[in-house]
Amino acid sequence: AQKVTQAQTEISVVEKEDVTLDCVYETRDTTYYLFWYKQPPSGELVFLIRRNSFDEQNEISGRYSWNFQKSTSSFNFTITASQVVDSAVYFCALSEEGNAGNMLTFGGGTRLMVKP
Amino acid sequence: KAGVTQTPRYLIKTRGQQVTLSCSPISGHRSVSWYQQTPGQGLQFLFEYFSETQRNKGNFPGRFSGRQFSNSRSEMNVSTLELGDSALYLCASSPQQGGTNEKLFFGSGTQLSVL
Repeated sequence: AQKVTQAQTEISVVEKEDVTLDCVYETRDTTYYLFWYKQPPSGELVFLIRRNSFDEQNEISGRYSWNFQKSTSSFNFTITASQVVDSAVYFCALSEEGNAGNMLTFGGGTRLMVKP
Repeated sequence: KAGVTQTPRYLIKTRGQQVTLSCSPISGHRSVSWYQQTPGQGLQFLFEYFSETQRNKGNFPGRFSGRQFSNSRSEMNVSTLELGDSALYLCASSPQQGGTNEKLFFGSGTQLSVL
């Protein structure tokens, strides 16, 4: 069965610091998809990135970057020069090709607090 | 385009009652999923509907049910409410244009409190 682990439950940083959120996953499928979502206080989850298991290229989007390593089953998320607006709960999630749908298995989430 | 709309935003019920939550997906989206979020269990998948058919179901008791209408709007129902059903219920939609494992667009959720 699939599983996603986010070992860091809460991280506190000061604005402009870099911060990395860890994500480790387990799956038996060879084809799967990894996601990161952000949940601000308003409640809705906001999509950040989707990566399939065959694409191990790291990705950078502005201050955000993602490091996908199949060898260690990890998909880590780094925020560079953090800002107060980055304060939220961040979820890593996994979807297996065999599900034939959009069923996500989420990690427990990491609450990021960025202090001014 | 309007986002995913969930109603009501807050709901208070007592044990033993039943409740129906509503979700209107983004226009044109055909897949609707439901998730339960609690402090103890985190985010857990309930079920997914596509073209009025349940495509996937999570590990929840039969008290939890759902349906999807021809306009893609969806409802979920919880019968015989228990205290442990208190949670934020999130609905998500996706275009489902022939693909799977798509990114999801989430609503703000319905916060259900069972007293």
